[in-house]
Amino acid sequence: EDKVVQSPLSLVVHEGDTVTLNCSYEVTNFRSLLWYKQEKKAPTFLFMLTSSGIEKKSGRLSSILDKKELFSILNITATQTGDSAVYLCAVESNNAGNMLTFGGGTRLMVKP
Amino acid sequence: DADVTQTPRNRITKTGKRIMLECSQTKGHDRMYWYRQDPGLGLRLIYYSFDVKDINKGEISDGYSVSRQAQAKFSLSLESAIPNQTALYFCATSDAGFPGELFFGEGSRLTVL
Repeated sequence: EDKVVQSPLSLVVHEGDTVTLNCSYEVTNFRSLLWYKQEKKAPTFLFMLTSSGIEKKSGRLSSILDKKELFSILNITATQTGDSAVYLCAVESNNAGNMLTFGGGTRLMVKP
Repeated sequence: DADVTQTPRNRITKTGKRIMLECSQTKGHDRMYWYRQDPGLGLRLIYYSFDVKDINKGEISDGYSVSRQAQAKFSLSLESAIPNQTALYFCATSDAGFPGELFFGEGSRLTVL
């Protein structure tokens, strides 16, 4: 059974801080790992990672994958209140249907 | 207008009632999904469909059924609602070339009393 575990469950920081969110996984026939941001309702796509050691970057957010140790991290530098959200990690398998297995999420609150 | 639209956005119902949640999309994607979200449990897949004639069960399909009326429409039914089906339900779509990149609707919050 595929499994995704995210840590910490929740995090409170102040604006300007840097945060690191963790995602570890077990999956048969790995295809990709994805990060989503969920602010109020609908999750929105952030990154897809398929190769170890190659950083994906978008503004203040960056992510990297380690396929040997089976984890990924999402870094947010110079946090802003608009970064407050639940961050979801998911793994995609190469099995029929390319299904995603989601972790429980990390709730980030950024205080002014 | 949203690319993926869900109705209703909120619904309160009683145990034993039949409920239908509807989803329509304008993204032109063949793949459509229904997920439910419970606090701390992330998103869990209920059903998915790769085209009108292809419907598959996800990890938690018991108590649910679906209908893919057209490429753009995918509805989820609870035949006889029970309180532990109280949750936030999401419809999502994806392109076959990038199946992991899901586009979600705004969610339907269902409360079963």
